[in-house]
Amino acid sequence: ETGVTQTPRHLVMGMTNKKSLKCEQHLGHNAMYWYKQSAKKPLELMFVYNFKEQTENNSVPSRFSPECPNSSHLFLHLHTLQPEDSALYLCASSLGGNTEAFFGQGTRLTVV
Amino acid sequence: DAKTTQPTSMDCAEGRAANLPCNHSTISGNEYVYWYRQIHSQGPQYIIHGLKNNETNEMASLIITEDRKSSTLILPHATLRDTAVYYCIVLETSGSRLTFGEGTQLTVNP
Repeated sequence: ETGVTQTPRHLVMGMTNKKSLKCEQHLGHNAMYWYKQSAKKPLELMFVYNFKEQTENNSVPSRFSPECPNSSHLFLHLHTLQPEDSALYLCASSLGGNTEAFFGQGTRLTVV
Repeated sequence: DAKTTQPTSMDCAEGRAANLPCNHSTISGNEYVYWYRQIHSQGPQYIIHGLKNNETNEMASLIITEDRKSSTLILPHATLRDTAVYYCIVLETSGSRLTFGEGTQLTVNP
């Protein structure tokens, strides 16, 4: 148990569906991140939020839309995804700077 | 952030020390060396980090060479549960983003 909770753990969605992934932390961290991990590939940083402000978007397609309503919650809204978007989506949080990041267990997403 | 080079895979016998090397020859003075691991299909887990001096915690030891161009993560008594991909990451003090490479797949054998 890392203190970072992701829901749901597993999600199957069609290409025309709209769904959202949720991440929650009550560690007092001010930075939150979304990562994508496709099969047999390294983790790819998608978005970074610091104090609720998006500070990084690594050329992520607009079908992925992040939302950070407060420092404890982070969402990833999904719409019109493609089968190649199937992956493990990981959320992390940290105090920023040279402190360690804590990861959630991830959401295993399958797009059919 | 400086790049790192790690072996693709390593094997270790249960109960023996696992020594995982990492090369970071372009590291700059304000960059820390971090180690994370990822057990299959789980989120990465922080292990240890250091700047210049060797560090030890309940999980592992980190040995950084004097020129800081390489480091070694040591798991003193590896168990089967230590089988995972181990990532060495170099990170600026002012940065807050982790960039993961391929890492080293460590397999601990009975």
